[in-house]
Amino acid sequence: AQSVAQPEDQVNVAEGNPLTVKCTYSVSGNPYLFWYVQYPNRGLQFLLKYITGDNLVKGSYGFEAEFNKSQTSFHLKKPSALVSDSALYFCAVRDRGGASSNTGKLIFGQGTTLQVKP
Amino acid sequence: SAVISQKPSRDICQRGTSLTIQCQVDSQVTMMFWYRQQPGQSLTLIATANQGSEATYESGFVIDKFPISRPNLTFSTLTVSNMSPEDSSIYLCSVGEFQGGYNEQFFGPGTRLTVL
Repeated sequence: AQSVAQPEDQVNVAEGNPLTVKCTYSVSGNPYLFWYVQYPNRGLQFLLKYITGDNLVKGSYGFEAEFNKSQTSFHLKKPSALVSDSALYFCAVRDRGGASSNTGKLIFGQGTTLQVKP
Repeated sequence: SAVISQKPSRDICQRGTSLTIQCQVDSQVTMMFWYRQQPGQSLTLIATANQGSEATYESGFVIDKFPISRPNLTFSTLTVSNMSPEDSSIYLCSVGEFQGGYNEQFFGPGTRLTVL
């Protein structure tokens, strides 16, 4: 069965420090991987994705993520955290499947609350 | 990316009543999805709503409880029927846009439902 795990319920960092939000996945074949962010009382906003190619992908707001196939991980990173980055972060995966199974269904991790303190 | 709006943005409803949530997209899209986010929980897919066909429901969700309409390529509704406090959640509409060989999903702002 396909699954996504975010092992940390909450990550606390000081402003200006680097941050990492962890994500591991379990799918058959090569996955499509995504990170979304949810600010309070807002919908989900797309941050970045890995489809193929370079294992380090860059996204919105200075975030990046590294795809590691051997460790089945896709950790979200940012070199210097901002207080405004404080939000709920979701990792998601979609099995590529074949053309006939392009359902588009996303499987989400449990979410990690990022708290950046001044 | 598509611009997605939902109505209502929030509502407080009484047990046993029904609420219909609307999702409007500013462009034609093939795939639309409805997700539920229970308090403090992750997102769970309720169903996939494709125009011209019946919605496809995920395990644990049934049409009688969550009827879905998809009359055209820019609009869908989700009804939460015979509500109970356990239905208190954020309901999110999502659309899939074909980009670079696959469908990327974008989400609406969500509808926050509280059932008393």
